[in-house]
Parts: sequence; structure tokens; C-alpha cells
Amino acid sequence: SQTIHQWPATLVQPVGSPLSLECTVEGTSNPNLYWYRQAAGRGLQLLFYSVGIGQISSEVPQNLSASRPQDRQFILSSKKLLLSDSGFYLCAWSGGVHHQPQHFGDGTRLSIL
Amino acid sequence: AQKITQTQPGMFVQEKEAVTLDCTYDTSDPSYGLFWYKQPSSGEMIFLIYQGSYDQQNATEGRYSLNFQKARKSANLVISASQLGDSAMYFCAMREGSGANSKLTFGKGITLSVRP
Repeated sequence: SQTIHQWPATLVQPVGSPLSLECTVEGTSNPNLYWYRQAAGRGLQLLFYSVGIGQISSEVPQNLSASRPQDRQFILSSKKLLLSDSGFYLCAWSGGVHHQPQHFGDGTRLSIL
Repeated sequence: AQKITQTQPGMFVQEKEAVTLDCTYDTSDPSYGLFWYKQPSSGEMIFLIYQGSYDQQNATEGRYSLNFQKARKSANLVISASQLGDSAMYFCAMREGSGANSKLTFGKGITLSVRP
């Protein structure tokens, strides 16, 4: 069966520091991968998605970037965090065709001080 | 215009009763999928149920069923025999098209509280 791992679960970072959140998927190949951000009490905002190694699509202009160095690895990064980067970050994967559901990791709660 | 609309305020239901969570959507694409997710206080997003735009019958998954009314563009989630563990945020989502890069658009969610 497929599993998705996301870490760390919680992160507290000072303004201006770098960021690296990692997500890996097991049990499937060539998944579509996604990064979302959820502000407190709000819905999910799609940040990035990837349909293959090295292929990244950005949904909103922002201070963050994403990379997919391997088929089942998706990384969310920032060189210098802003206060507005605080939130709950979720990684997800799905099959590439038809209307398959997205399956989510457990999320990372990021607090910027 | 919003693609997914969830306008109910916080919902309350008595344990063991049924509850309906509303969702309306907007799309001009004839091929789309509708999804419901549950997010408990711990934060993980749990996939509950899926309805395809060409499906003739309403989707069911255990205690969850989807009341799909295509002409009205609504996809309401019905939870039967509510349990205390059903207390959570519930999100409706839509995936338009069927290509590899079709994306999921989420509504703002509904909070459900189950009373003992």
C-alpha cells in the first residue's frame, strides 16, 4: 500500500532563516505531488505541484520554492522566511490520471518568530 | 466566482443522528470529480468519498454518502449515525478535467461538532 511521509511535524523558525520541508511517498511510482498551505481555520491553498522529476508548477507568487529531485521526493524550501510564511503545510500525492483522490501527509506546523 | 462553496456555519448534530453538509460547485468542464475530506483537530486530511461527474449513482462509503445533484451543481455529504469521532472540519473539493496536471480546488470547510 502507498504511504506518504512528511517531516518535521512541528517547526519554529526565526524570521530570515532558511526552510526545508521534505515529503516522500512509498508504494507507488510517478505520482503527482503537491504542496498546500492552510492558514488557521481556513481552507487549503495550493502552492506547488509536480507531475514528474524536475517539473514544478507554481500556483502563487511567494517566498517559497519547491523541488523534486527524485520521483517520490518533494521538497519545499525558502531562503529567507517571512512572518507571513507561518501556517500548516501539507504534502499530498495522487495518481496521474482520471479523478483519483489526493492523499495527504500529516502536515507540518510552521511558526515564524 | 468561487469554484467550491461551503456556506454553512458550524454544524451541530446529536450522536447517532444523520447530518448533511452542503457543497455547491461551479465548473464548465463536463469532466470533473468531487471529493470530501475530513480534517480532525490533529490536522491530517483524510479522504472520505468521491463522485465522478459521469457517475449515474450517488457514491456511498460506509456511513458516508454523497447526494449528487448535477443540475443544481451540488454535492452534499451525508453522514449517518454520527459518532463523537466525526467531530472535525469537512472540506469539499473538485478536480476539473482528467489530465495528469488537473488540480484540486478546496472549499473553506465546515466545522461539525457531534454532541453526546
